Amino acid sequence: EAQVTQNPRYLITVTGKKLTVTCSQNMNHEYMSWYRQDPGLGLRQIYYSMNVEVTDKGDVPEGYKVSRKEKRNFPLILESPSPNQTSLYFCASSQSTGTGETQYFGPGTRLLVL
Amino acid sequence: AQTVTQSQPEMSVQEAETVTLSCTYDTSENNYYLFWYKQPPSRQMILVIRQEAYKQQNATENRFSVNFQKAAKSFSLKISDSQLGDTAMYFCAFMKHVTGNTPLVFGKGTRLSVIA
Repeated sequence: EAQVTQNPRYLITVTGKKLTVTCSQNMNHEYMSWYRQDPGLGLRQIYYSMNVEVTDKGDVPEGYKVSRKEKRNFPLILESPSPNQTSLYFCASSQSTGTGETQYFGPGTRLLVL
Repeated sequence: AQTVTQSQPEMSVQEAETVTLSCTYDTSENNYYLFWYKQPPSRQMILVIRQEAYKQQNATENRFSVNFQKAAKSFSLKISDSQLGDTAMYFCAFMKHVTGNTPLVFGKGTRLSVIA
């Protein structure tokens, strides 16, 4: 089954404790992206990747890092989480860009930073 | 920068009735794509329907159809024969027609409740 998976689905952590949210897709997609969803703000892009070893900032990158060592994986790293990073996070992927390719979303990761 | 506005934070509809969700957007682009995503209580983001701006014909997917008015920059979603499973948050989204980064620009959503 074609899908985007994320782990963990739920996470409670404390300020300053490094964490990684994994994202994996099995569709051989080139383009991957992370969004965060906050009440009243909709979804906003954090980081994106055009292909392996090609990543760049989105609209709200502060406090986050990403890597793309393999095509299928695009982990989101919070080196020192803070309470304002409490949010619902989505990973998304599409085959390419430039032709309005549908972006497929993972199931979401709900993060609470105390 | 592109913006997407959904002016109805909440709506409700009786089962089997028809409901229309509104969406307007602001862009200087001529070529772009528009989407409606559904987010049920499970929080999964599910694509409902997609429209290319260069196509005049409105997209249709079973009970879901859009009214795309390019000049007015309007992209409403019509749900016919509403079902209880349609209860969800609905997001309108815009994507530029460019190579490179193509983030979806989302509206703030409309919470739809289908009432039995």
